[in-house]
Parts: sequence; C-alpha cells; structure tokens
Amino acid sequence: DTAVSQTPKYLVTQMGNDKSIKCEQNLGHDTMYWYKQDSKKFLKIMFSYNNKELIINETVPNRFSPKSPDKAHLNLHINSLELGDSAVYFCASSQLNRAYEQYFGPGTRLTVT
Amino acid sequence: ILNVEQSPQSLHVQEGDSTNFTCSFPSSNFYALHWYRWETAKSPEALFVMTLNGDEKKKGRISATLNTKEGYSYLYIKGSQPEDSATYLCAFNRAAGNKLTFGGGTRVLVKP
Repeated sequence: DTAVSQTPKYLVTQMGNDKSIKCEQNLGHDTMYWYKQDSKKFLKIMFSYNNKELIINETVPNRFSPKSPDKAHLNLHINSLELGDSAVYFCASSQLNRAYEQYFGPGTRLTVT
Repeated sequence: ILNVEQSPQSLHVQEGDSTNFTCSFPSSNFYALHWYRWETAKSPEALFVMTLNGDEKKKGRISATLNTKEGYSYLYIKGSQPEDSATYLCAFNRAAGNKLTFGGGTRVLVKP
C-alpha cells in the first residue's frame, strides 16, 4: 500500500505550458507539503497545507498554485512553465505527533524544454 | 534565516568500518531534529526524530545523538555495509512549527 503517491513520476513539457502534479496520502495525516529539490540537491519547502488550509507559503513565484480539495490530496499547478522550473518535486505529509516527521512521495521529475 | 549545515558533504567508507558525521543547527527555539536516509532514485525515509537534549536513538547499526544547547547532532554507522550507501539528511524544526529546514546532506558511499 502506497502511503504518499504522486502522479506523474516524470513530466516533460515545453516552456509556456501549464501543468499539474497530483499528490495523495492514505495515512490520515492532517498536513501536506510540496518540496522542490533544487539544482544543488537541497530540499526546499514550497507550501504546506493543514486540513485544506494554507499555512506555509514560501517565496515561490505565483505561477505555482497549490490546491487541496481535501486533507488527503494536495495538488500543484504550475502556469507558464520556465526552464528554471525543471527539478524534482516531492510531496510529503505529516502529523503533529513525532514532531511533524515527513513521509515523502516518490517525487516527480519535471523537465521543461 | 535558518542554517542547517551538514559535514562532510560526502564520505567514502570501507565496508566494515564505522563512521560518523555531523549536523549543526540553530540552538534557539529548538523543537525537533530529524534524520532521514535518502537512497538514489528513491524518496527520503525517516530514521529518527529527537526532541530532548541528550537524546540518543538507535536503529540497527545506525544511531544518533543530540545536543540542543550547542546545536549539533551526530549520526553514527557501525560496521558499514554497502546497503548503507545513501545520502543522510538532517532537518530542524523550531518552536513546535511544522516547517522543516533541511541540511544539504552527507553522501555516504560504502566500498566493498
């Protein structure tokens, strides 16, 4: 049973397109996140939702818009894709106990050409 | 700005040898320190969460210690095996917040 799943796993698209990445967790967690693995392989948080409410919104271009239809899903929509958006994006979820220990999805490798 | 730093960036270890590496973090408003293991082409997996100064955690041959007063944690691997090869990430969250700040990781390569 997959705890945190993301689709698609790979996404190749052209500059200027709009694309979405979906994330679902079946752990019953209240909090979900999006991370970007940057060019130096650092994991940087982008957004966090708690029970469908946005609680962390880091300095991310407003072309990126998260949407949480329910607490088990957090999707990431990206408008007007740019070359610099190429990266691996990880979804994660957590619960308050265990100090918000993160459960990560498998990642989505986005390549913008 | 929260700086979480890990050293060294990479480490080559002979199979059977033991090794350790460091994570340093801001000591103010400490809430928790996390260690994750990240194998290539996979996603990070949680190893330990530590919240109290002096905490020590152990899972098999891997253990970790925590010093919140001086802001560092050590991860130890005893008798390294090739399957221990991975990047080990530490992450820090402060003041009961759910935002984790990750270090850059220590990449460990265990040579047979």
